[in-house]
Amino acid sequence: DQQVKQNSPSLSVQEGRISILNCDYTNSMFDYFLWYKKYPAEGPTFLISISSIKDKNEDGRFTVFLNKSAKHLSLHIVPSQPGDSAVYFCAASAKNYGGATNKLIFGTGTLLAVQP
Amino acid sequence: SQTIHQWPATLVQPVGSPLSLECTVEGTSNPNLYWYRQAAGRGLQLLFYSVGIGQISSEVPQNLSASRPQDRQFILSSKKLLLSDSGFYLCAWSQKRSQGNTEAFFGQGTRLTVV
Repeated sequence: DQQVKQNSPSLSVQEGRISILNCDYTNSMFDYFLWYKKYPAEGPTFLISISSIKDKNEDGRFTVFLNKSAKHLSLHIVPSQPGDSAVYFCAASAKNYGGATNKLIFGTGTLLAVQP
Repeated sequence: SQTIHQWPATLVQPVGSPLSLECTVEGTSNPNLYWYRQAAGRGLQLLFYSVGIGQISSEVPQNLSASRPQDRQFILSSKKLLLSDSGFYLCAWSQKRSQGNTEAFFGQGTRLTVV
């Protein structure tokens, strides 16, 4: 049962344009959502997060949007740069896993290619 | 600042051999610790997590085990590796918070190939 889904395995965008990466979840108990960036043969690095009490969080070129009624979140990268080319994972966690546990459930990832 | 170390970076092991991957965290105390695996073409699957010394929770039935002998040390083991154990193994840590959740920070990973 895939609780966090990234239905687009890959995305290609021109440099300077907007990249939009999407993520859907099924567990209504999820209340904290994150995006990670991963290069081959490296560990994922944290990009940005959003709590369920918000619908938008912005950090520089990165903005995450959360639509709780649709159980959908998206990551916008504007403007896209060639260095943004990587696999992007969305992840979610739920309070009822225990305040101390903080387990992250990951999607399958989307490979973003930013063309110069 | 906090750092996480994971080794080795790559490992080739024959089927039936034992496994020991080690992970240590510096610059923090009493962290939550995690082992994830990324199989080829798949997402990150949570294998084990630990909220304290000697406290291990398994997420999926498998051929692997985990141990936390010290506060900032997390070990992934197997007595006999299977071909299906091949993958990219990632250790991660996160802080405990009384309310709300927080991000996890990952090590550089271990590429395990079972032959």
